[in-house]
Amino acid sequence: EPEVTQTPSHQVTQMGQEVILRCVPISNHLYFYWYRQILGQKVEFLVSFYNNEISEKSEIFDDQFSVERPDGSNFTLKIRSTKLEDSAMYFCASRPGRGRSSGANVLTFGAGSRLTVL
Amino acid sequence: DQQVKQNSPSLSVQEGRISILNCDYTNSMFDYFLWYKKYPAEGPTFLISISSIKDKNEDGRFTVFLNKSAKHLSLHIVPSQPGDSAVYFCAAIMGVGGSNYKLTFGKGTLLTVNP
Repeated sequence: EPEVTQTPSHQVTQMGQEVILRCVPISNHLYFYWYRQILGQKVEFLVSFYNNEISEKSEIFDDQFSVERPDGSNFTLKIRSTKLEDSAMYFCASRPGRGRSSGANVLTFGAGSRLTVL
Repeated sequence: DQQVKQNSPSLSVQEGRISILNCDYTNSMFDYFLWYKKYPAEGPTFLISISSIKDKNEDGRFTVFLNKSAKHLSLHIVPSQPGDSAVYFCAAIMGVGGSNYKLTFGKGTLLTVNP
């Protein structure tokens, strides 16, 4: 069964350092997402990406965050200068695309990348 | 801003009995609802969904009920099995079928099924 792959599974970094989290979405999917879950809290939307541009972002997704799809397969989340409060589980997700069927609208999530900022 | 609410942080049931997980929402623009299951150290896994034009969807042991007038949905698992023990997230979509799709999660309910 196709899956969304995320690397690294766990990253520890010092405050102020840059971090890049990588994702390989399912190959025929068109829409890509990043969500995060701070320990004990709910899964929160960060950003959605379609047709090589951001289609929506939350207020969490400020100037320190960026996303790109550099080579047609990888989808990366960059955090420029990490803060303690960026410590969380970051989930990448993708979905096929248009239409009202359940298949088109169900997000498939990766296993997540745990970021620990010290 | 809790548009999707799961008011029970945890639920404990005996194996073989029914598990009922509840979810309330506030935004009438939501037009599609999903339940995800999450095990520790894994990503959320899709379980079952329901369109706003339906009031019930069944898949094996899992049934989702939607009451639009009450803005309430529930997930029934029967019979419950120990392997069902996980965190269950209710999620709602605005803009289904379009590029302005947005999926919003509830906080989750930890289900424990005791043997």
